[in-house]
Amino acid sequence: EVQLVQSGAEVRKPGESLKISCKGSGYSFTNYWIGWVRQMPGKGLEWMGIIYPDDSDTRYSPSFQGHVTISADKSANTAYLQWSSLKASDTAMYYCARRGGSLYYFDYWGQGTLVTVSS
Amino acid sequence: SYELTQPPSVSVSPGQTARISCSGDALPKQFAYWYQQKPGRAPVLVIYKDSERPSGIPERFSASSSGTTVTLTISGVQAEDEADYYCQSKEGSGTSWVFGGGTKLTVL
Repeated sequence: EVQLVQSGAEVRKPGESLKISCKGSGYSFTNYWIGWVRQMPGKGLEWMGIIYPDDSDTRYSPSFQGHVTISADKSANTAYLQWSSLKASDTAMYYCARRGGSLYYFDYWGQGTLVTVSS
Repeated sequence: SYELTQPPSVSVSPGQTARISCSGDALPKQFAYWYQQKPGRAPVLVIYKDSERPSGIPERFSASSSGTTVTLTISGVQAEDEADYYCQSKEGSGTSWVFGGGTKLTVL
């Protein structure tokens, strides 16, 4: 069974750093792209970027380029999303999701990680 | 930047047919995908490659494509179908994916 299990909810202050994770199981982790999606409170889904764990080839949405870093550790079957300096506007639910093969969609999703940034 | 446009809300009575549209200039060249999201839950794929239904998705979910508009159709709507629905595609020539703004389906 394909599963993506994300790390737990986080509370941070503005300016702090953070790294959240997404661990895949039940499939060949290195052979499928993993993407990240933001959902701000009461708002819609936003595509942030995607990484191919086998070689760490990464693509970012222009809206998120330079604001977050997507990485992966294929030995740990885990993808990461990190911030070096959080802002209150980063408060959101973040989902990781697996790309469905060669097509441009997500077939499996993690349960989401709620990030709250507040002073 | 590339955008997909959906109506903010659609309301139907149980047993009726709900239609949710999604418009985007690149849709004639790129497949569209649809997700259902219920409150407090992760999205679930309900349609891929414009009109294909993943295993486990009820037959009442279907979709079609015509030019720059794709349409998700839910026939015989049930109370459990009340959710937010998002279309998603890829921009025409770049590498970014994009989601529509979402449509809240209310079952009256």
